[in-house]
Parts: sequence; structure tokens; C-alpha cells
Amino acid sequence: DQQVKQNSPSLSVQEGRISILNCDYTNSMFDYFLWYKKYPAEGPTFLISISSIKDKNEDGRFTVFLNKSAKHLSLHIVPSQPGDSAVYFCAASQTGTYKYIFGTGTRLKVLA
Amino acid sequence: GAGVSQSPSNKVTEKGKDVELRCDPISGHTALYWYRQRLGQGLEFLIYFQGNSAPDKSGLPSDRFSAERTGESVSTLTIQRTQQEDSAVYLCASSLFREKFFGPGTRLTVL
Repeated sequence: DQQVKQNSPSLSVQEGRISILNCDYTNSMFDYFLWYKKYPAEGPTFLISISSIKDKNEDGRFTVFLNKSAKHLSLHIVPSQPGDSAVYFCAASQTGTYKYIFGTGTRLKVLA
Repeated sequence: GAGVSQSPSNKVTEKGKDVELRCDPISGHTALYWYRQRLGQGLEFLIYFQGNSAPDKSGLPSDRFSAERTGESVSTLTIQRTQQEDSAVYLCASSLFREKFFGPGTRLTVL
């Protein structure tokens, strides 16, 4: 039972354009969401998070949007840079728990 | 080093052998997690340690898997009688609060 889904395994974007990575979840009890970025041969690194009391969180070039009614979140990267090329995982959890449920990841390639 | 370290970085073993994977968390982090990522899959929770509390082993896939942690330091994940389906990247993470910091992982290949 895949509670967190990233339906696009890969995405290619031209440098300078916007990258939009999507994530859907099924468990309405999730109230905290995160995006992690992973380079080859490295562990995932935390990128940005959002609590369910908000619908948007911004950090520099990265913005996460949360649509609770649709159970959907997205990560926007603008402008995209070649160094952003990596695998991006979304994760979800419930307050009071420590288990993050991860999606399968989306491989982003930013073309120079 | 300031980050989570794991060893070995790569391990190739024969089916039926036992393997031991090691994780050194960030100093002072009370929580430690093990995750597994099989090819084409997301990160799968295996086990969680928090201080001196009993670990949450609910994610361990079979009784061939076990893990230990000494106090708030090193953890070892042991897989006995390895099977080909155990081939994966095993990731360790530690945390003090909510944010988890991951190590680079151990890539396990069972032939």
C-alpha cells in the first residue's frame, strides 16, 4: 500500500526554467511533509518542509505547496540550475510519530 | 566528521552468509533510524532507536534482520542468511529533533 506516491520517475528541465515535482498521499492523518534531495552515492539531505497548517513554504529558489483537499504537494524550483540534478523524495508523517513515509523519488535532470 | 557515517560503503556477499552493517550517528543525536531502499522503491523504514527506550522494530521484514545500538552511539544492523531480495542500499539516519540526517548508505549485493 503506497501511502506516498511520486508518479513521475523522471523529469528533464532546461536551466533557468521552473522545475515542478509532484507528490500525492492517501493518509489524511499526515500533517507534516518534507522534501529530500539525493545525489548518487550520498544519503538524502533535507531540503524543505511544510506543516499542514500552511499551504505554502518558501526557501530561496525552493517553494513547497500543499493542497490538503487534493492530498497533493508539489516542489517548485525556480530558476532551475544544473546542480539541482538529483533524485527528489517527498515524505510524510504524523505529528507525534517519527516514521516518515517516503515516495519512490523523481529523478530531476537540469539541462545546461 | 560532523555527519552520519556508515560502513562499509559497499558489500557483496553470497546468499546464505551473514552481514553486519555499521552506523555512526551524529554525536548527541538521541534518535537513530535504519531505512532500506530497494531498486525502484522508496525508502522503507526498518527500525528506530530513541535513547534507552525499547526500539521500534516494526519495519524489520523478517527475523533474519536484527539491530543493536550501544547507548546513544554506534548501531549495527545484522542480516542473517542473506537472500537475494535483501540486495538494497541500507541507510542510517540520526536526529535530535524532527529533522533526520542521513548517512551515505551501504550498498548490499547478495549474489
